[in-house]
Amino acid sequence: DTGVSQNPRHKITKRGQNVTFRCDPISEHNRLYWYRQTLGQGPEFLTYFQNEAQLEKSRLLSDRFSAERPKGSFSTLEIQRTEQGDSAMYLCASRVDKANTGELFFGEGSRLTVL
Amino acid sequence: RKEVEQDPGPFNVPEGATVAFNCTYSNSASQSFFWYRQDCRKEPKLLMSVYSSGNEDGRFTAQLNRASQYISLLIRDSKLSDSATYLCVVILNTGGFKTIFGAGTRLFVKA
Repeated sequence: DTGVSQNPRHKITKRGQNVTFRCDPISEHNRLYWYRQTLGQGPEFLTYFQNEAQLEKSRLLSDRFSAERPKGSFSTLEIQRTEQGDSAMYLCASRVDKANTGELFFGEGSRLTVL
Repeated sequence: RKEVEQDPGPFNVPEGATVAFNCTYSNSASQSFFWYRQDCRKEPKLLMSVYSSGNEDGRFTAQLNRASQYISLLIRDSKLSDSATYLCVVILNTGGFKTIFGAGTRLFVKA
């Protein structure tokens, strides 16, 4: 399967714990995006990368959230000291570098439940 | 104010009906526009692009009005399989192709 891959698919954690999600984009896609989605809402922009450079981080994100894409390939999203409000589906997507009109390809998401 | 706003929905329509969804965007740096479809518990997938000249793909027609900052999607002859959430998507011309999604409009097509 050469699509966008996300791991783990499901994560249940206790409040205060740290969690990390991994995204492997489609190999030739230089741009990588992270979104958060809760029930009944559209994907909410978190951050995005061009190669290894993080271009923007949503102002809605607290300092507990950090994302990296160290070699311009896979990316990780870490949430420190999780809170119940962090419970959501975390979606990763990628697209080719040149395409401002190009399709975003999504992974199946990582569902986080904070108890 | 959200950057991309959509009809709240849900829309409940019978098979064969025509249904229209609206979307407005607030950022003048918006340069590219799309409709995505998201099925329950699935990831979003591209439905179609939206151009000022209009874009038609079978039963689906998308329109863009840059002056009014308004996007629409028309579905004709609705099928049961059209039941899904339709997401309005905007790409900003900020150098990085930041991509913003609306909250989505849910459609239920009933027999």
